[in-house]
Amino acid sequence: QKEVEQNSGPLSVPEGAIASLNCTYSDRGSQSFFWYRQYSGKSPELIMFIYSNGDKEDGRFTAQLNKASQYVSLLIRDSQPSDSATYLCAVSPPGNTGNQFYFGTGTSLTVIP
Amino acid sequence: KAGVTQTPRYLIKTRGQQVTLSCSPISGHRSVSWYQQTPGQGLQFLFEYFSETQRNKGNFPGRFSGRQFSNSRSEMNVSTLELGDSALYLCASSLGTGKQPQHFGDGTRLSIL
Repeated sequence: QKEVEQNSGPLSVPEGAIASLNCTYSDRGSQSFFWYRQYSGKSPELIMFIYSNGDKEDGRFTAQLNKASQYVSLLIRDSQPSDSATYLCAVSPPGNTGNQFYFGTGTSLTVIP
Repeated sequence: KAGVTQTPRYLIKTRGQQVTLSCSPISGHRSVSWYQQTPGQGLQFLFEYFSETQRNKGNFPGRFSGRQFSNSRSEMNVSTLELGDSALYLCASSLGTGKQPQHFGDGTRLSIL
């Protein structure tokens, strides 16, 4: 079982819709969760991070964390064609004294104009 | 504030050779992590350095090694290159205290002929 799992997609949504991206993780003690966006041929760019159960909002982006169910999601409201990219979920494992992350393989999102 | 700088951007090598990649972190960041990204495997953690010490190590063979200098700049070395080492190598820096977000450089694309 992989530490972090994401649906690889592709996920297609029309412009203006809400895109919902999901991520599950295997280690129940994980405490730090990150979402990155990666455009084709580019490096990952940090979008949001969340440490506590519940929702965290930043502009059109909302991260949701449910530790009991071991999933974290990213909602993109009013999706734009420029949001078309691969979204990577990253989790920092428990008991780790450093800053090691486990990444999912990413979900490809296409926003259709 | 300058971002994470990786050099070179592209490299072409042949099997059996060795290669050294360089990463300069964001000013003030003391943690540098290295990742290998391939289409099939996604982002795989190689190792993390903090204050010139390797703090975490992923599941890669000993041909992959790294080091960090007193100014936090880091290098990664791969010896006896194999065809399967063709990948995008990404460096990410963070403050390194606690579970801080990582910020990625543009990567070095390594091709093995």
